[in-house]
Order: sequence, then structure tokens, then C-alpha cells
Amino acid sequence: LAKTTQPISMDSYEGQEVNITCSHNNIATNDYITWYQQFPSQGPRFIIQGYKTKVTNEVASLFIPADRKSSTLSLPRVSLSDTAVYYCLVGPQGTGGATNKLIFGTGTLLAVQP
Amino acid sequence: EPEVTQTPSHQVTQMGQEVILRCVPISNHLYFYWYRQILGQKVEFLVSFYNNEISEKSEIFDDQFSVERPDGSNFTLKIRSTKLEDSAMYFCASRGTSAYNEQFFGPGTRLTVL
Repeated sequence: LAKTTQPISMDSYEGQEVNITCSHNNIATNDYITWYQQFPSQGPRFIIQGYKTKVTNEVASLFIPADRKSSTLSLPRVSLSDTAVYYCLVGPQGTGGATNKLIFGTGTLLAVQP
Repeated sequence: EPEVTQTPSHQVTQMGQEVILRCVPISNHLYFYWYRQILGQKVEFLVSFYNNEISEKSEIFDDQFSVERPDGSNFTLKIRSTKLEDSAMYFCASRGTSAYNEQFFGPGTRLTVL
């Protein structure tokens, strides 16, 4: 599984756009990029997944350059409730009986202040 | 919205005792997982379960651990003889067959071994 590198922490203020970049230089051809969010004392929660270019949903956008060696999670207009740890994961989606275990790194602790 | 549930939310036990952590995955999901997170550390994969058998397990998942799906709804993790270092948050997750193959995590059981 591809190793990921992301900043340990980031600070932001309410209403700002936050971009968290993840490096995954040895991403494989069949790997997808997935981001999870974890609030204190809760289980991780899926945010977004992509393979290339740009993906957008109601929560975030994910930008993936053509070489796919990095990706950027963009959170528009953050609020205090977006304070959490954000994890970038890289691996195959898998089908059928594939295990699809998730390998979490240390993540990025985003602290949103008023 | 369907969710994964876990009981108990907090379990305190003495070293050497057996504990069973319980999970009710989302009803139409087919893939089940246990992860753990020691306080202040990464979320770590323990085991995946599909079609009534273990599909993959990590080095952490030694002979002291076992999983079972005793009926159509519950998924349990048993630790036969707990050690101090088993103290952690244990998360159950389940996965369906959506396009993103995202895993849905439960709220966790905090296990404290004294």
C-alpha cells in the first residue's frame, strides 16, 4: 500500500477555505485516494474519494493532479465543527472478497478558531 | 440513516479477563472489520471478515483475539485474556458494495484494562 505524507496540524478560522495536501509518491495504477474525518472519541467517517482530476460532493472537493503523486482536500468555509483529524488513504477499491483494509497514518489535525 | 452500533461504550476489566465487544453492522453490508486506536495513536487495522470467515488479519490479531458473527446481525470481537496494552478504543466497521466502497465506522468501545 502506498505511503502517504500530510501535515501534522493546520490552523484556520471560521469561514475560510482550508486545503490539506497529501503526498503519495508511490501510488499504484489501481489505487484510489480516499479521505476520512475523525472527531475526538468517534470513529472515522468517509468524506470523499477520487482517482484523478477533481471530485466534489456536498462536503468537500478533492483535487488530484495528472501524475497522481499528491492530492488536496478542500473544505469550503469551515466552521468550528470541522475541527477534527483528516486522514488521506491510498489503496485499491477492491471488489468481491477483497479485504479493503484501511491503513491510517497520523492524519492532519485541523483546528478551526472563531 | 443506517449506522453501525457498538456495545458497550466503555468496558473496564481486570488483566487476564475475557471481554467480548459487540457490534451491529449496517444490515445489508457484507464486509466487517475491527480496528483499534490506542489513546493518541493511529487507527490500526485488526481483522476483516467476509462470508463467515476471516479474510485478513494483522500482526496485532494474535491467538488471544477472535471474531464471530453468531447470527445475522451481530459481529463480535473477543479478547481471551486481556493485557494492559489492550487498553484502547475499538472500532467496528462495515462495508457494502457502493461505488466508493467506503467503510462505515461505529462509535467505538473504550476498553480499559486494569
